[in-house]
Amino acid sequence: KQEVTQIPAALSVPEGENLVLNCSFTDSAIYNLQWFRQDPGKGLTSLLLIQSSQREQTSGRLNASLDKSSGRSTLYIAASQPGDSATYLCAGSFGEYGNKLVFGAGTILRVKS
Amino acid sequence: EAQVTQNPRYLITVTGKKLTVTCSQNMNHEYMSWYRQDPGLGLRQIYYSMNVEVTDKGDVPEGYKVSRKEKRNFPLILESPSPNQTSLYFCASSSGLAGPGDTQYFGPGTRLTVL
Repeated sequence: KQEVTQIPAALSVPEGENLVLNCSFTDSAIYNLQWFRQDPGKGLTSLLLIQSSQREQTSGRLNASLDKSSGRSTLYIAASQPGDSATYLCAGSFGEYGNKLVFGAGTILRVKS
Repeated sequence: EAQVTQNPRYLITVTGKKLTVTCSQNMNHEYMSWYRQDPGLGLRQIYYSMNVEVTDKGDVPEGYKVSRKEKRNFPLILESPSPNQTSLYFCASSSGLAGPGDTQYFGPGTRLTVL
């Protein structure tokens, strides 16, 4: 059974700091990996999608990497801002066509001003 | 505006009373899916549908049914709700022709309480 794990469970940093969120998965036959943001009481917003053939994706201050051989992905946030405070979730797609999406439990990020 | 809508947003019901949570997307997406989110357990996939002809179970399908008669709609049916189905439910869709190979778009969520 595929499992996705995120560490740390919670992180508090001062504004302006660069930070890294970690995600690991047990099945190297991953179809793709997505990073999401969830604000309290809201749905999920997709941040970055990395296909299994890719090593990384970038969007603004966000950079996500994927290493299938080690079963790891990282989300790097540069120059963090209070508006980045949210829960960050990673999810791996598995199965023949990546039909099954397995989520990590999330990292709760707080950026202090 | 491209979006996934869910109704109702909040629902309180009693054990055994059948209910349906609707999900609709206006992006002509092939793939749709339902998840539940519980504290400490994260999001878990209930059912998914690759297209109008194919639906399949996710990790936690017991006690749920789905229907995909039209591309845009994917309702979640609880025939006989029980208190352990109290949760926050999300519907999602993506354009992936054979799976969620593209960005997943999530609805706003439905908070269900079963007494």
